[in-house]
Amino acid sequence: AQSVTQLGSHVSVSEGALVLLRCNYSSSVPPYLFWYVQYPNQGLQLLLKYTSAATLVKGINGFEAEFKKSETSFHLTKPSAHMRDAAEYFCAVSSNTGFQKLVFGTGTRLLVSP
Amino acid sequence: DTEVTQTPKHLVMGMTNKKSLKCEQHMGHRAMYWYKQKAKKPPELMFVYSYEKLSINESVPSRFSPECPNSSLLNLHLHALQPEDSALYLCASSQDWYTGELFFGEGSRLTVL
Repeated sequence: AQSVTQLGSHVSVSEGALVLLRCNYSSSVPPYLFWYVQYPNQGLQLLLKYTSAATLVKGINGFEAEFKKSETSFHLTKPSAHMRDAAEYFCAVSSNTGFQKLVFGTGTRLLVSP
Repeated sequence: DTEVTQTPKHLVMGMTNKKSLKCEQHMGHRAMYWYKQKAKKPPELMFVYSYEKLSINESVPSRFSPECPNSSLLNLHLHALQPEDSALYLCASSQDWYTGELFFGEGSRLTVL
């Protein structure tokens, strides 16, 4: 069974500062890992995904994440935060061995102050 | 712009009403999903259709009835709901095999009085 843990329900940064959102996974098989973003009153949008190719994954809106097997982590980063990055971010995991449920973390709300 | 369209965006219904939520995608995806999301919580999977057949039902109460008329459409029929069913209902689709790359609609916000 797969699961993800997102450390910190809220993260606050200033505009222009580094964004770091943490995600640790647990999986008995090689995982697929994802970061989704949800803006207020909207659905979820895929930011980036790891599917066992390159360990450093670049996504949309300047975000990237690094898969570290030794640390079972898939943290999301962005060098410089913008006000428009304020949203809820979900880490998610699924198995690469067939029809498996996508398991979401509990989410981290990113707050960006001017 | 989302390529998964959900209607209505907002719905208020009484506990004795019958209503439906609709979802449409034109990306040629063969898997479609219903998720329920309560405030400040992650989405919870309800149903998965793959190639128009119900593949996963996450033990959802029978007052929720999904339907997939064709590969582009997904409905969720609602009957005799409870106030605790109030939530954001999200539809999603994926190409075929469940790899987690889901495309979500903006959701239908349901309030049950």
